[in-house]
Amino acid sequence: EVQLVESGGGLVQPGGSLRLSCAASGFTFINYNMNWVRQAPGQGLEWVSHISNSGNTIYYADSVKGRFTISRDNAKNSLNLQMNSLRAEDTAVYYCAREGGNLCYFDYWGRGTLVTVSS
Amino acid sequence: QSVLTQPPSASGTPGQRVTLSCSGSSSNIGSNYVYWYQQLPGTAPKLLIYRNNERPSGVPDRFSGSKSGTSASLAISGLRAEDEADYYCAAWDDRLSGRGMFGGGTRLTVL
Repeated sequence: EVQLVESGGGLVQPGGSLRLSCAASGFTFINYNMNWVRQAPGQGLEWVSHISNSGNTIYYADSVKGRFTISRDNAKNSLNLQMNSLRAEDTAVYYCAREGGNLCYFDYWGRGTLVTVSS
Repeated sequence: QSVLTQPPSASGTPGQRVTLSCSGSSSNIGSNYVYWYQQLPGTAPKLLIYRNNERPSGVPDRFSGSKSGTSASLAISGLRAEDEADYYCAAWDDRLSGRGMFGGGTRLTVL
């Protein structure tokens, strides 16, 4: 059974940093591209970042470019998101999503981890 | 404001057929596949339609997707109370270095 479990969310002050992780199981992690998608409270979905299976190709939303860094550890079946210079507008539930073969084809999602940026 | 435009709300009665729309441009829907996601209250999104009109296993055939030019649609026939949810379209956008795009979502109410 495919499982994606996010962790690392919490309360952080504006300007602070946080590192999210996503533990993957039930599939061959190295074969799949991965993504982060977020959802602000009461708002819609926003794509955040994509990383290819090898880690060689990375894309970011304009809203996080230069502040967030996506990475993966294929030996540990882990996806990460390093978030720096956090702003109030980064407050959201962050979902880890597996890509099913095409960009934006998110066939499995984690339950999400809440990040709150507030003083 | 989302690049992919969806009506914020829609409604229907049980048994009815409803169609949700998603409008984009040549750089996203016009040149890439469209995906649809269903999000029930308090849960993570779930893939409903992939590659414009394909259904993952387990998704009832009451749900169907289509695409024409720079627009896409999700049709739900035989509407049921459990279909009440938020529905999002998504597509890759080829502008600049490329980016993922979601529509703003349509909240479907079953009356």
